[in-house]
Amino acid sequence: LAKTTQPISMDSYEGQEVNITCSHNNIATNDYITWYQQFPSQGPRFIIQGYKTKVTNEVASLFIPADRKSSTLSLPRVSLSDTAVYYCLVGDKAAGNKLTFGGGTRVLVKP
Amino acid sequence: DVKVTQSSRYLVKRTGEKVFLECVQDMDHENMFWYRQDPGLGLRLIYFSYDVKMKEKGDIPEGYSVSREKKERFSLILESASTNQTSMYLCASSSNVLNTGELFFGEGSRLTVL
Repeated sequence: LAKTTQPISMDSYEGQEVNITCSHNNIATNDYITWYQQFPSQGPRFIIQGYKTKVTNEVASLFIPADRKSSTLSLPRVSLSDTAVYYCLVGDKAAGNKLTFGGGTRVLVKP
Repeated sequence: DVKVTQSSRYLVKRTGEKVFLECVQDMDHENMFWYRQDPGLGLRLIYFSYDVKMKEKGDIPEGYSVSREKKERFSLILESASTNQTSMYLCASSSNVLNTGELFFGEGSRLTVL
């Protein structure tokens, strides 16, 4: 399973853009990159998933370079409610594939 | 809306007790997972199941067992609870049909073993 490395924590201010980069040097051909968000005392929640280039949804954007050895989650104009832990995972979408969660990045949004 | 329900949000048990953590999902998902989450260690996979009566070990299965007698229910069992099993336990499910790989989590069960 591809291992991921991401910063332990990041601070930001309301209205700013937050970019979290995840390294996954040994990503496999069939692997997708998925990001989850977790608030205190809750289970993680799916944010976005991509394979290459750029993916955007109503919550975030995901940028993946051509070599796919890293990816960047971009949260536009964050608010206090975006304070959470963000996890980057890589794995095959094949049914039931077990995914490994790393330590995640703790994002603190300040007023 | 997918719902994964864990039976207890908070439990306090004594060392040596048998503990059952129950998880039910209402979306007919084939795959179900049990994780534990500890500060600084992220989520670690304990067991998972691809189908009824099927189970596979995750990364840290020691001291745990599981049961999946029905598709919608996945139980985690601590045969003899120990203090190092004090943790947050998270259940998740995913669909083979949709094949997005997306995991849907319950709200967690915080277990304290005294």
